Amino acid sequence: EVELVVSGGGLVQPGESLRLSCAASGFTFSTSWMTWVRQAPGKGLEWVATIKQDGTEKYYVDSVKGRFSVSRDNARNSLYLQMNSLRAEDTAVYYCARDRSRFDYFDFWGQGSLVTVSS
Amino acid sequence: SYVLTQPPSVSAAPGETAIITCGGNRIGSKSVHWYQQTPGQAPVVVISYDKDRPSGIPERFSGSNSDNTATLTISRVEAGDEADYYCQVWDDNSQYAVFGGGTQLTVL
Repeated sequence: EVELVVSGGGLVQPGESLRLSCAASGFTFSTSWMTWVRQAPGKGLEWVATIKQDGTEKYYVDSVKGRFSVSRDNARNSLYLQMNSLRAEDTAVYYCARDRSRFDYFDFWGQGSLVTVSS
Repeated sequence: SYVLTQPPSVSAAPGETAIITCGGNRIGSKSVHWYQQTPGQAPVVVISYDKDRPSGIPERFSGSNSDNTATLTISRVEAGDEADYYCQVWDDNSQYAVFGGGTQLTVL
């Protein structure tokens, strides 16, 4: 059974950093594109970042470019999102999701982790 | 960047048909995927590649895509279908995944 478990969320002040982790199991992580999607409270889904199987290609939404960095450790079956210079508008539930294939749909999602940026 | 437009809300009585649209410039040339999200839960894909139903999704869910509008149709609506629904495409030009704003389906 595919499982994606997100951890690392919490309350931080504006300008601070946070790293989210997504532990994957039940599928071959190293052959899967992976993605982060977020959802601000009461709002819709917003794609954040996508990473290729070997980490050599990464794509980001404009609003996080230069501040967020997606990475992965295939030996640990883990996906990460390093978030720096956090802003109030980054407050959201962050989901990790498996891509069906490159530039495709997201067939499995983790449960999400809430990141709150507030002073 | 590419924009997908959905109606904020749609309602249907049990047994009726609910139709949710997703508008975008020449969306018919893209593959559209639909997700269902109930409160407090992660999204679940209900339609992929315009009209394909993943395993476990009832036949009551169907999709189509042409010209500037993609459509999710839920036949014989049930109370359990009450949820938010999102369309999604990949924009090759910007190399972005794009979601529609979401449609809240209310079962009357």
